[in-house]
Amino acid sequence: SAVISQKPSRDICQRGTSLTIQCQVDSQVTMMFWYRQQPGQSLTLIATANQGSEATYESGFVIDKFPISRPNLTFSTLTVSNMSPEDSSIYLCSAIQGWNTEAFFGQGTRLTVV
Amino acid sequence: QQQVKQSPQSLIVQKGGISIINCAYENTAFDYFPWYQQFPGKGPALLIAIRPDVSEKKEGRFTISFNKSAKQFSLHIMDSQPGDSATYFCAASNSGNTGKLIFGQGTTLQVKP
Repeated sequence: SAVISQKPSRDICQRGTSLTIQCQVDSQVTMMFWYRQQPGQSLTLIATANQGSEATYESGFVIDKFPISRPNLTFSTLTVSNMSPEDSSIYLCSAIQGWNTEAFFGQGTRLTVV
Repeated sequence: QQQVKQSPQSLIVQKGGISIINCAYENTAFDYFPWYQQFPGKGPALLIAIRPDVSEKKEGRFTISFNKSAKQFSLHIMDSQPGDSATYFCAASNSGNTGKLIFGQGTTLQVKP
C-alpha cells in the first residue's frame, strides 16, 4: 500500500487557537479519511475528505470545528479550530487506493491543548 | 447498531502461547472485518481481514475465525512472541467503503518472555 505522511507529528497548542494537520500520500488514492483517537481509546471517524467538494462528516463532528480540505488525489488537511483541552487526541489520516481495498493509516498527529 | 464490541480490554500471554481476542457486531450490513495492530506512537497497520463468505482465514501465525450467525469474529495469534505486544483493534465496514471503519475498543496484548 501507499505511504501516508502527516505533519506535524505532534504539537502543543494554546486553547482557543487552531491547528492545521497535513496529510500527504505518496500515490493517488480513491478516498481519504480523518480519524480521532483519544488517549488510550479507540479510533472514531471524523469525516471523509472529498476531492474538490465539502467533506462528509460523521455524527458528532461539524465543519466549523473540523474544516477539511482535499484539493487533489494525494493531499488533505484537517483543521482543529478554537481548541479546548478536550481536543487533545491523536488525529490520524487514512486512505484507500481503490474501492473495496484495505485502509492504511498515517503515523498520526499527537495534539495536546493546554 | 453501529457498534463493534471487543474483549478483553487487556491480555497477558506467555511466549509461545495462544492469544485470543473477540469481537461482536450488530449491523448485518457489515461485510468486511479487518484487524489492525498498533504500536505506541504509530498508526494502526492492517494485520488480516475477512469477509463473510469464509469462516476462517489464516496468514502465518494469525487466524481470523468468523461466525456469521452469531455476528462474532475473533483473532487468534498462535505461538505469541514478545514482538506481538501491541494494541489490537477489530473493525467492521461495508465493502462498498472499506475506509469507513467502525472500530472496537481495542485490546492491549502483552506477551511475556
